[in-house]
Amino acid sequence: NAGVTQTPKFRILKIGQSMTLQCTQDMNHNYMYWYRQDPGMGLKLIYYSVGAGITDKGEVPNGYNVSRSTTEDFPLRLELAAPSQTSVYFCASRVKGGGQTEAFFGQGTRLTVV
Amino acid sequence: GDSVTQMEGPVTLSEEAFLTINCTYTATGYPSLFWYVQYPGEGLQLLLKATKADDKGSNKGFEATYRKETTSFHLEKGSVQVSDSAVYFCALSASSGNTGKLIFGQGTTLQVKP
Repeated sequence: NAGVTQTPKFRILKIGQSMTLQCTQDMNHNYMYWYRQDPGMGLKLIYYSVGAGITDKGEVPNGYNVSRSTTEDFPLRLELAAPSQTSVYFCASRVKGGGQTEAFFGQGTRLTVV
Repeated sequence: GDSVTQMEGPVTLSEEAFLTINCTYTATGYPSLFWYVQYPGEGLQLLLKATKADDKGSNKGFEATYRKETTSFHLEKGSVQVSDSAVYFCALSASSGNTGKLIFGQGTTLQVKP
């Protein structure tokens, strides 16, 4: 059972570089999310999607972009990386109408911008 | 807006000690409440949940009761083990809207010593 899979697990970027964090889920969940986790700050929502072709901003969207062309995939794009984007990034998914249901998380991508 | 506040960590306990991690929330309506746990190097996984007032969630010896009158969802365990060492996150999912977004507290690190 794969669940939510994120790649890569670790990455070091130089300031100004770009990259895409990949996220795929095999549970046919409509809802998908990207969070970032900073020490002592909990998880902050970057972007979310309620289905293919539909995305919306979360709490901290600046410097990021997303797309959702399929139910399974929800990549997160970083353009012009900055040191403030050094963080651990988590992708998550839930079933449709999932306010009461469990969210499933990937294992995270640890990104360092130098 | 909706928010979650957890007690500051780290919390250090001896094996078999009693654990309480406080969590309070601010939300309109009747949110669902969750505790997620993050073991070192891993993503978050659901520990327990409660979806309406006075509900008690329980799992692996952990319990939490949804208290509407005090807007709290404190996590308790009668006898902790070394294997319980992890970061614990309290979270809510708003009752209004249909996006399933989770709002997290800042996390509490628990260290259990043998």
